[in-house]
Amino acid sequence: QVQLVQSGAEVKKPGASVKVSCKASGYTFTVFGISWVRQAPGQGLEWMGWISTYNGNTNSAQRLQGRVTMTTDTSTKTAYMELRSLRSDDTAVYYCARRVVISSNSGYFDYWGQGTLVTVSS
Amino acid sequence: SYGLTQPPSVSVSPGQTASISCSGDELGDKYACWYQHKPGQSPVLVIFQDTKRPSAIPERFSGSNSGNTATLTISGTQAMDEADYYCQAWDSNMGVFGGGTKLTVL
Repeated sequence: QVQLVQSGAEVKKPGASVKVSCKASGYTFTVFGISWVRQAPGQGLEWMGWISTYNGNTNSAQRLQGRVTMTTDTSTKTAYMELRSLRSDDTAVYYCARRVVISSNSGYFDYWGQGTLVTVSS
Repeated sequence: SYGLTQPPSVSVSPGQTASISCSGDELGDKYACWYQHKPGQSPVLVIFQDTKRPSAIPERFSGSNSGNTATLTISGTQAMDEADYYCQAWDSNMGVFGGGTKLTVL
């Protein structure tokens, strides 16, 4: 069965970086994209970006551009999201989700990881 | 940047029909999908490509999308349907979520 298993909770200081992993199983990794979505406490879902596991192309939300890097390791079927220059308002649960790509400008997320809590605090 | 607007909250009595709207500029020209999110759990896809339902989702969930508004409809709402619901679409290859609607079943 399809599974996305994320790395464990992290506590970071402001200005530091965090790297969250998302290990896929149960399907052909390079057929589907991986998106990253986060939810800050008391807030809604925020799309962060996505990566094509086929060719490594990425696209990220404008407000995060320059701070977020998404990569994949196809040999281990693992996706990574690194967020730099952390601030307190980056405290959130971070999710990876499998993206079914219908076209370059459509798609949906049919499987989600369990979420990774990242806490940014001095 | 593109935005999707949802009502913050919707209330429904058990067994009745709940409708949650999602508004965006020419949203009907895009594909909309919907996610159910319960506290402490990961989001679950309930509607994709405007009207399609994943096999594990009950038939009481349905969707539509026309003009500037997509709508999620839950017929015969059950207590287990109480959750936050988010619409989502794509614009310029960027994902966009609505602000979310808290569905209360009372």
